[in-house]
Amino acid sequence: SQKIEQNSEALNIQEGKTATLTCNYTNYSPAYLQWYRQDPGRGPVFLLLIRENEKEKRKERLKVTFDTTLKQSLFHITASQPADSATYLCALDVLDRGSTLGRLYFGRGTQLTVWP
Amino acid sequence: DGGITQSPKYLFRKEGQNVTLSCEQNLNHDAMYWYRQDPGQGLRLIYYSQIVNDFQKGDIAEGYSVSREKKESFPLTVTSAQKNPTAFYLCASSMVAHNYGYTFGSGTRLTVV
Repeated sequence: SQKIEQNSEALNIQEGKTATLTCNYTNYSPAYLQWYRQDPGRGPVFLLLIRENEKEKRKERLKVTFDTTLKQSLFHITASQPADSATYLCALDVLDRGSTLGRLYFGRGTQLTVWP
Repeated sequence: DGGITQSPKYLFRKEGQNVTLSCEQNLNHDAMYWYRQDPGQGLRLIYYSQIVNDFQKGDIAEGYSVSREKKESFPLTVTSAQKNPTAFYLCASSMVAHNYGYTFGSGTRLTVV
C-alpha cells in the first residue's frame, strides 16, 4: 500500500540548533515533493518545492533534500527560533495518469517546538 | 491582496442536514481542491477541479458534492450521507503547473450536533 511517513510526531529542540525533519514514502513515484507549515487552526502555508531530479533546494534558513532512490526527503531549519514552532507537512505531488494535473498526498506532519 | 476565503470559520450541523462550505479565490488559479483534516491524520483529498464545469473525485468523495460554475468559486456540500462529517475542511487552489505550491484557505471547522 502507499504510505507517507513523517518520522517523529513531535520534535523538540533548543533555539539556535538545526531542526531536521524526515519524510519517507513507499509505492509512490512523485514528480515533485513539497513542504508546508501549519499553525494550529490554520491552513497550511507552502514553503518549498523540490523536483525529482534535484538533490537539494535552499530558501533562507530552510533546506530540503530529495533522494528518490531512498524514497526520502529531509527538511532542515538552521538557526531555529521559537517562531519556527509549528507542524510541518510533507506532500508528494503525483501526476494523474493521462493528466497534466498532479495531486498532493500529505503526510501526517511533525510538530516542531523550539524552546528558548 | 490575493488569497482564498473560506466561510464560515465554524459550522454546526444537525443530523440529517446538508450544509455547504464556501470557497472563493481571487488568485486567478485554474485548479481548486477540497481536503479534510482529522486529528492525527494527514490531509485527505475529497474533490478537485482543473477547469470550470469539470471536477473529479478524490480519495474520500462519498457523502460530499461540489460544483465549479465559476473559476473563482468551488463550494463543497456535506450531505446527510456523510456519516462522520465532523472535521476541519480546507480549500486550496493552484496554478496548473508544478512550479507552484498550493495556496490554502484558513479552513472551516464542521461539527455535528
